[in-house]
Amino acid sequence: DAKTTQPPSMDCAEGRAANLPCNHSTISGNEYVYWYRQIHSQGPQYIIHGLKNNETNEMASLIITEDRKSSTLILPHATLRDTAVYYCIDTGNQFYFGTGTSLTVIP
Amino acid sequence: EAGVAQSPRYKIIEKRQSVAFWCNPISGHATLYWYQQILGQGPKLLIQFQNNGVVDDSQLPKDRFSAERLKGVDSTLKIQPAKLEDSAVYLCASSLRGPFGTGAYNEQFFGPGTRLTVL
Repeated sequence: DAKTTQPPSMDCAEGRAANLPCNHSTISGNEYVYWYRQIHSQGPQYIIHGLKNNETNEMASLIITEDRKSSTLILPHATLRDTAVYYCIDTGNQFYFGTGTSLTVIP
Repeated sequence: EAGVAQSPRYKIIEKRQSVAFWCNPISGHATLYWYQQILGQGPKLLIQFQNNGVVDDSQLPKDRFSAERLKGVDSTLKIQPAKLEDSAVYLCASSLRGPFGTGAYNEQFFGPGTRLTVL
């Protein structure tokens, strides 16, 4: 059974920030949150991961709530190439991808 | 750095036939994963190898699926006999290490996948 829940789809205007939410209500203290994305007809691509603290890399920022039950992936300036399915994963259940959020960046 | 290689890219077979997929991970990556991705769903982990040993195959349908990673490098996934519901993309991924500590995983690098159609 899925341990993370995400909205099935979202739209974002090009150049604006895309904020993708994830609920991981059953996460336990030593389980990490990972984000991957999958562009059409390609294999998934790692984006970022975190445990408790907020994280930032060249691709995105990850905000994890204090109770760790939810997180938000932020793409600060979305481009058309960011159109993809985004998966939030918590590592307590192997690497369960779920169905993700289909993000469409609109010109 | 060369990525994860998979072959073939596409395969069409009839039900009850056999099929095999091949994966060559990134050089030096100890951990190899096989995933099945059915259209409209996220990838589902089938089996995970650490070097040439199986770490997790709990979701592998062992009556028809088998996988091996001889010498701890490349790997093959076989289906025998295939069913209609096996139609999917089979993804191979590798990582420098597998799970470490208490829940952290190394970044997984995915190959392009093999699209299997069973008629």
